[in-house]
Amino acid sequence: DTEVTQTPKHLVMGMTNKKSLKCEQHMGHRAMYWYKQKAKKPPELMFVYSYEKLSINESVPSRFSPECPNSSLLNLHLHALQPEDSALYLCASSRVGGETQYFGPGTRLLVL
Amino acid sequence: DAKTTQPPSMDCAEGRAANLPCNHSTISGNEYVYWYRQIHSQGPQYIIHGLKNNETNEMASLIITEDRKSSTLILPHATLRDTAVYYCIVERGGSNYKLTFGKGTLLTVNP
Repeated sequence: DTEVTQTPKHLVMGMTNKKSLKCEQHMGHRAMYWYKQKAKKPPELMFVYSYEKLSINESVPSRFSPECPNSSLLNLHLHALQPEDSALYLCASSRVGGETQYFGPGTRLLVL
Repeated sequence: DAKTTQPPSMDCAEGRAANLPCNHSTISGNEYVYWYRQIHSQGPQYIIHGLKNNETNEMASLIITEDRKSSTLILPHATLRDTAVYYCIVERGGSNYKLTFGKGTLLTVNP
């Protein structure tokens, strides 16, 4: 099974809402990633978790809060987002030290 | 600054080989060349990677020049489903390696 799943597929939220994005993999990978992709732009790395600990934060605003509750799950908690945060949010996983990242289909977020 | 330079778009006829070039003239000795692609509205998909030697797998071949300053991804028999943005990425491999995506090449396979 080389699948990374993400829920929900689509999300619309207001600027005062709190929502969460979920990512799951069952490949035994211990590195997990969040990327953000604006329309017609390449993906940009946000966070990296290694062995359930945050190892890289690419200076992401605090209104994005990642969480890795166990080795299979990765969450991204959203609070007080801005319309410019509307984007496709991609999750990926890999072996630690591995050469290949496996991506999920993404969550398309619209902030009104 | 981008580590790689790719043409913004290319066309290919279905059934023909697609050759996608990538320049990475500042590549370091411990940096790999990775290729990913992203079909419209999907997550990126790993294709292949290499350090020095040419590589081949069931999806594609990767040809890296001897000086490692450029490479070519070859899809031997392109199909309509290969229409996608192809990203050439140069990164140090190993623990928690980061993928820094450039603008990529939009490959359109025509019937």
